[in-house]
Amino acid sequence: GAVVSQHPSRVICKSGTSVKIECRSLDFQATTMFWYRQFPKQSLMLMATSNEGSKATYEQGVEKDKFLINHASLTLSTLTVTSAHPEDSSFYICSARSFSGGLPGEQFFGPGTRLTVL
Amino acid sequence: AQKITQTQPGMFVQEKEAVTLDCTYDTSDPSYGLFWYKQPSSGEMIFLIYQGSYDQQNATEGRYSLNFQKARKSANLVISASQLGDSAMYFCAMRSDSNYQLIWGAGTKLIIKP
Repeated sequence: GAVVSQHPSRVICKSGTSVKIECRSLDFQATTMFWYRQFPKQSLMLMATSNEGSKATYEQGVEKDKFLINHASLTLSTLTVTSAHPEDSSFYICSARSFSGGLPGEQFFGPGTRLTVL
Repeated sequence: AQKITQTQPGMFVQEKEAVTLDCTYDTSDPSYGLFWYKQPSSGEMIFLIYQGSYDQQNATEGRYSLNFQKARKSANLVISASQLGDSAMYFCAMRSDSNYQLIWGAGTKLIIKP
């Protein structure tokens, strides 16, 4: 149980285009979903926290208009990188907290999306 | 402020030996939780073990155990009988009780030598 999928796993796009990444909790309802960004050989950097039906809370320094987050249902959150540029190239990981079950504060992680902007 | 410190950027260990990955934390919350995750080169985050601040015993999960020293604020991960497949990045994280976010350490890159 507690499986989180992320799609696509890998995307290459041209500079200036927008890219949407989907994060789904497959077998549980997620009260909260988190979006992380990870640079090579570094730790996870929290970008934003989203709760179903409400606006995402962005971490300091993360551009809201650049990284659009929509949490439309208890099983789906999307991250859209708008007008992507090469500096947006990174590994993006989502995670989800279960509405019930799991360890206190446990987050279940998606497999990640590697974005390359040419 | 809450903080997780992993002081070992990288470690080389001979196969079948035990290895200890260090993690110290700082928090003023009386209730907190500590997690260890493994991240292989594929990028997925694999949950290994959890220790709650009120747990009396050290957590164990198969070859993984957590050496929890509350007074010293340390939560070291011990891997017994290391295997080649243990080569990966290892992250220590702490649950923030204020907003349920995870505070992450910088990670340790573990390489198991045959």
